[in-house]
Formats: sequence, C-alpha cells, structure tokens
Amino acid sequence: QKEVEQDPGPLSVPEGAIVSLNCTYSNSAFQYFMWYRQYSRKGPELLMYTYSSGNKEDGRFTAQVDKSSKYISLFIRDSQPSDSATYLCAMSGDGNEKLTFGTGTRLTIIP
Amino acid sequence: DAGVIQSPRHEVTEMGQEVTLRCKPISGHDYLFWYRQTMMRGLELLIYFNNNVPIDDSGMPEDRFSAKMPNASFSTLKIQPSEPRDSAVYFCASSITVVLAGGTDTQYFGPGTRLTVL
Repeated sequence: QKEVEQDPGPLSVPEGAIVSLNCTYSNSAFQYFMWYRQYSRKGPELLMYTYSSGNKEDGRFTAQVDKSSKYISLFIRDSQPSDSATYLCAMSGDGNEKLTFGTGTRLTIIP
Repeated sequence: DAGVIQSPRHEVTEMGQEVTLRCKPISGHDYLFWYRQTMMRGLELLIYFNNNVPIDDSGMPEDRFSAKMPNASFSTLKIQPSEPRDSAVYFCASSITVVLAGGTDTQYFGPGTRLTVL
C-alpha cells in the first residue's frame, strides 16, 4: 500500500462547478500538507499548503486537512477552464524536507 | 530569478547509452531534489541534497543511476547504461529551509527533461 493514495481520475466538470479533490495517507508523522498544480508538459507548482489540521482559503481554493481520518481535500469554487491541470497532493513530516506525493488527479473544466 | 533550469528538455537515446541530465537550482537554495514522473508510478523522489551533500538516495532505482552535486549551482543525474524502462520525465526541484513557526519551505520545480530510451 502506498503512503499517499490519490484517485488519478480523469475528472471532467462544467465551468462554474465546485471541484473536490482528495487524498488519503497512512503515515501519522505527516504534518505539512500541500497541493501542487501541474499543467501539461510543465513542472509542478505549489498551489496551497497547510500545517497540521484545519482549513485554509485562498481565493477560489480551499484546502482542508483532517488528521484524525488521514484525509485531505482541495476545493475549487467557480471552476474555470484555466484550472484544467493535474493536481498532486504532497506531504512531509516535521523537520523533514522530503515530500511524498500522490499520483495526481487529472482535472478538465469544460467551457 | 530564472527559476530552476534543466537541460536538455528532451533526450532520445538508445538502450545501453549513457544519459546525463543537468540542473541549476535557484540561487541561494540549499536543497536540491531529483524526481522521476511516469503515468504508472506518478512523481517519485530519487535523491535529494542539502548543501551539496546527498541526504537520502533511497529512491534511486538501481546502481545504474547516480547523482552528483559538485557545487551549489549545479547537479547531474546520470544513467549508465540506460534502459527503455527508464523512459520518463525527470524533474529537478530546489528549496530553501524556512524555520518559521508553522511554516514550511516550497519546492520549486524545473520544466523537466523528457527522456525516451529506445
């Protein structure tokens, strides 16, 4: 079993819809939780990060972490075609620079 | 800053040949990471350096793979001999340690090298 599980999709939703992306993990030592966005033929770029449990909001994006369930989510409100990309969750433990990535979910927003 | 620079962007080679991938991290960053990305396995960490010293190479698949960081501004990933199953996109990323309460560092990725081994 992988340390981080993520549904690869693909996921297609109409423009304006709310998108929910999720990851589960097994390592209770993970403290930092990140979402990276990767456009086609580009490198991943950090979208959001949270420390420990709770929610964090940035514009149309909300990241949630539930450490008791070992479950993290990324919500995208009012989705736009420019949000079409692969979204990867990533995690690390305290004082550890090493990230463990999910396999990524490929998202397409249909105009 | 130009960001993380990788070369070449594309590499096509024949099985058995030596392949060298190059990376220039962002100036001032003290961590450098090499990843491999495939459809089947996603993004896998191969090795990472701190202040030019290899910290964790447990992700290097086998002895055919080697990585060096001779100075703070340059790193190489070498595959010798290459095999078709090495075909993937190889990413280099760099980061700087951020010791802030509740903070963490961000890894900045390069554009990747798309390797095809025939």
